[in-house]
Amino acid sequence: SQKIEQNSEALNIQEGKTATLTCNYTNYSPAYLQWYRQDPGRGPVFLLLIRENEKEKRKERLKVTFDTTLKQSLFHITASQPADSATYLCALGQGGKLIFGQGTELSVKP
Amino acid sequence: DTGVSQDPRHKITKRGQNVTFRCDPISEHNRLYWYRQTLGQGPEFLTYFQNEAQLEKSRLLSDRFSAERPKGSFSTLEIQRTEQGDSAMYLCASSLAGGDNSPLHFGNGTRLTVT
Repeated sequence: SQKIEQNSEALNIQEGKTATLTCNYTNYSPAYLQWYRQDPGRGPVFLLLIRENEKEKRKERLKVTFDTTLKQSLFHITASQPADSATYLCALGQGGKLIFGQGTELSVKP
Repeated sequence: DTGVSQDPRHKITKRGQNVTFRCDPISEHNRLYWYRQTLGQGPEFLTYFQNEAQLEKSRLLSDRFSAERPKGSFSTLEIQRTEQGDSAMYLCASSLAGGDNSPLHFGNGTRLTVT
């Protein structure tokens, strides 16, 4: 069956460190993958998109990698700040829609 | 860009009642999506429209759920004969159909509680 799995446990890190979040998928062949941030009580907000022919994408302190052989994407936040605390969702493109993982909660402590 | 707006923000209803939610997408966006999200889970796809045409509906979606987008602008999602298991956050999103990889712009959802 098709699955998208993100770290189920919350990730707690110290301010200034790099946060690394994982998204693994099975039985999908996505042409692209997107990452979103979600704060409590709010809708998800788009962060980054990476296509299947791209290995890495960067935007300011954010970096995403996409390995179609391992069926995995990694999402990095460098020099993390308490304001980065949120839930991060990966989403795979399938037809005209996105299929989301369950999200990973990140907590950055000062 | 005024963003995606959803109404109401919260709805409490008794089991068996019908409820209707409204979504106003970003005006130039021709795709509109409905998702459902429960605590600790990611958004679950329900259905989507391109203009007024409903292009896909989740096979997991009960026939108690119906969505419309009559003029290709706002959309409504109706749940008939609500059940406690329908309690969730209902999220609407819109995008440009320039390519299937267009980012989704989400509203802040309607939280439904069925008692």
